[in-house]
Amino acid sequence: EAQVTQNPRYLITVTGKKLTVTCSQNMNHEYMSWYRQDPGLGLRQIYYSMNVEVTDKGDVPEGYKVSRKEKRNFPLILESPSPNQTSLYFCASSLGGTGYNEQYFGPGTRLTVT
Amino acid sequence: SQQGEEDPQALSIQEGENATMNCSYKTSINNLQWYRQNSGRGLVHLILIRSNEREKHSGRLRVTLDTSKKSSSLLITASRAADTASYFCATDPNNAGNMLTFGGGTRLMVKP
Repeated sequence: EAQVTQNPRYLITVTGKKLTVTCSQNMNHEYMSWYRQDPGLGLRQIYYSMNVEVTDKGDVPEGYKVSRKEKRNFPLILESPSPNQTSLYFCASSLGGTGYNEQYFGPGTRLTVT
Repeated sequence: SQQGEEDPQALSIQEGENATMNCSYKTSINNLQWYRQNSGRGLVHLILIRSNEREKHSGRLRVTLDTSKKSSSLLITASRAADTASYFCATDPNNAGNMLTFGGGTRLMVKP
């Protein structure tokens, strides 16, 4: 089944404790991205990757890191999480860029930073 | 910043009625996409309309695009309780093929 998977689905952590949210897709998609969703602010793009070893900042990259060493994986790294990073995170992928390609979204990771 | 703004923010209708949601955006676009999100879940792509298209249909969905007004509408006909969800429009604000900006969404509730 074609899908985007994220792990963990739920995470409660403390301020400053490094964490990684994994994202994997099995559709051989070139483009992958991360979003966060907050009430009243909608979905905002954190980072995106056009292909392996090519990543770039989205609208809200501060406090996050990403890497794209393999085509299928695009982990999101929070080196020192803070409470303002409490949010619902989504990974997405598409065949090519965002121009004319539908995005396939993962199920989401609900992160709470205390 | 949000490229698209949906209107209304929330909509409540009875099953069988039609639901219309509107989206306005700020910059010229090559295409506009609509997505649905069931509560707390990942978004699902519904339809993509290109800038040279004025109307597009997919099942009970009808999307229009007016580039002169920088606006789009999503019509769901004969709504069902299962259509209860949030609906978002999304555009590539720079037409560079690398980013997607979502509007704030319309929360639709369809009462049985």
